[in-house]
Amino acid sequence: QVQLVESGGGLVKPGGSLRLSCAASGFTLSDSYMTWIRQAPGKGLAWVSYISSSGTTIHYADSTKGRFTISRDSAENSLFLQMDSLRAEDTAVYYCARAAPGGNWYFDLWGRGTLVVVSS
Amino acid sequence: QPVLTQPPSASASLGASVTLTCTLSSGYTNYKVDWYQQRPGKGPRFVMRVGPGGIVGSKGDGIPDRFSVLGSGLNRYLTIKNIQEEDESDYHCGADHGSGSNFVSWVFGGGTKLTVL
Repeated sequence: QVQLVESGGGLVKPGGSLRLSCAASGFTLSDSYMTWIRQAPGKGLAWVSYISSSGTTIHYADSTKGRFTISRDSAENSLFLQMDSLRAEDTAVYYCARAAPGGNWYFDLWGRGTLVVVSS
Repeated sequence: QPVLTQPPSASASLGASVTLTCTLSSGYTNYKVDWYQQRPGKGPRFVMRVGPGGIVGSKGDGIPDRFSVLGSGLNRYLTIKNIQEEDESDYHCGADHGSGSNFVSWVFGGGTKLTVL
């Protein structure tokens, strides 16, 4: 079954760190561009970061640059998001999503998300 | 980069039709927009892509024929006919925006919550 499953969310204090994971099954994660997208409570979706299929291209939204790090492990077929210096405004459900092949730049596969709450 | 605007809510009766709107900011009339459906407690699901000339590419897996799109000016529309209970969802529009070679970012609207009466 082709799917993405996120984990690692939870409650963390401001300034703290958290590492999210996204396990892929049914396809090879490193064959695709992969992204993290978040949704704050009551808000719309917001792109966070992406990594190219080769792993050589990585970009971040301005709001997360310098604090978040995206990575992946081919052996585990998993995507990660290391989140440091967390702020209250980082509170959101975090989704990993796969960009459709062929440079179409829409997301054809999403996980169910993992909730991150940043609060003292 | 473009700004996408969606009304926060919409409603329609069972069996009726509804059209959801995603409006691009000025100057982006040629942009394609992607529609996503998000049922309660689930991740988003790709519906289809729409440009100024209508649908671009294919619908997402399992999207019924009742769903269609149209593009006009700065507006990108998603129409659902013969609404079913399972259509009650949040609908998000999104667009990719490249600002240079090898770089792309994405923007999304605020989402529209569709209630089936």
